[in-house]
Amino acid sequence: GIQVEQSPPDLILQEGANSTLRCNFSDSVNNLQWFHQNPWGQLINLFYIPSGTKQNGRLSATTVATERYSLLYISSSQTTDSGVYFCAVVFQTGANNLFFGTGTRLTVIP
Amino acid sequence: DAEITQSPRHKITETGRQVTLACHQTWNHNNMFWYRQDLGHGLRLIHYSYGVHDTNKGEVSDGYSVSRSNTEDLPLTLESAASSQTSVYFCASSESAGVPYEQYFGPGTRLTVT
Repeated sequence: GIQVEQSPPDLILQEGANSTLRCNFSDSVNNLQWFHQNPWGQLINLFYIPSGTKQNGRLSATTVATERYSLLYISSSQTTDSGVYFCAVVFQTGANNLFFGTGTRLTVIP
Repeated sequence: DAEITQSPRHKITETGRQVTLACHQTWNHNNMFWYRQDLGHGLRLIHYSYGVHDTNKGEVSDGYSVSRSNTEDLPLTLESAASSQTSVYFCASSESAGVPYEQYFGPGTRLTVT
């Protein structure tokens, strides 16, 4: 069935370390977004990236649509990066809603 | 600046009561969505709308309804609140086109049904 899988489920980093979060999806997609949900519950748009590579400061993302995965890179992590990172996709078959993965919980320790 | 707002931000209600959660966007987007997020999970789609007078059921629509009388608003109604509907509710919107555009989310409404 339709699936969006994220790994790892939990990640603990020392401040300043780098990390890579992965999102695998089961079918072709029209849209892929990465979100950061902060400790207050707010969903912050990080990237709209159905294919290719984008960078925004210390964060970058790559989606390889033909191989059905996306990667989110966080460099020089800071304590404010803590929270849950969600990958969400719109599959080519079906409605225009986002299917969310179960997230990666990141904790950055000072 | 364009934005998407939700109200109330927090709500406590009793089982069996009707509850309406408001969502208002100033992006002038045709597409609007309601999701719920339960502890430890990602978001799941409740209802969505592609324009005025258009509404569609999502993955977890039982017990919920929506109506779209204008572009800016998509209120979500719980007909008879149940404890299983305790959750955080997010509204989202996006432009409409053949290709799905980026979705933008509101701040969420935390609903507790006692």
